[in-house]
Amino acid sequence: QVQLVESGGGVVRPGRSLRLACEASGFTFSSSDMHWVRQAPGKGLEWVAVIWYDGSNKYYGDSVKGRFTISRDNAKNTLYLQMDSLRAEDTAVYYCARGTTHFDYWGQGTLVTVSS
Amino acid sequence: QTVVTQEPSFSVSPGGTVTLTCGLSSGSVSTSYYPSWYQQTPGQAPRTLIYSTNTRSSGVPDRFSGSILGNKAALTITGAQADDESDYYCVLYVTSGISVFGGGTKLTVL
Repeated sequence: QVQLVESGGGVVRPGRSLRLACEASGFTFSSSDMHWVRQAPGKGLEWVAVIWYDGSNKYYGDSVKGRFTISRDNAKNTLYLQMDSLRAEDTAVYYCARGTTHFDYWGQGTLVTVSS
Repeated sequence: QTVVTQEPSFSVSPGGTVTLTCGLSSGSVSTSYYPSWYQQTPGQAPRTLIYSTNTRSSGVPDRFSGSILGNKAALTITGAQADDESDYYCVLYVTSGISVFGGGTKLTVL
């Protein structure tokens, strides 16, 4: 069955960096567009970034543009999110999700806490 | 900047029918936005309910349905049950690659 497993979350100080990973299985990862979606504590869901199936296009939400970088390794069935210049407001559970016009599968999420 | 609007909260009686909506701060929602709907309970990952306006995701009961009502997308729950008490989010695919979430609706069943 389809599985998306995020990892890499933790506590990090403001201004530092963190890289999240999402390991995929149970489907053809190299044919699937992939997203990161986040949810701050007690808040709603926020779309963060997307990368097309072949890595040819990447798009970002305004709040992370210029600080976060989405990438993928199709040989390893893994999606990444490099987060630089982290701010307190980036504190959230980060989910990876598969899809193009909608999200059909979701991971369980990994918590990132930005705090001094 | 695209802003997607949802009712912050709604309540429904057990067995009742409720329609949640998803609009745009400027303009109308059409099928071209591929509206989708997600259900989330506290501490859990979102669950996909409806995509491409009105297609139910696998395993979703047929009491959940999607449509376009006027200038908004809509999620209707017919015969609400206690375990439908959740947060519901809509998403609009606004341009190539870019998706926008609504603020979510907290549904109470009482």
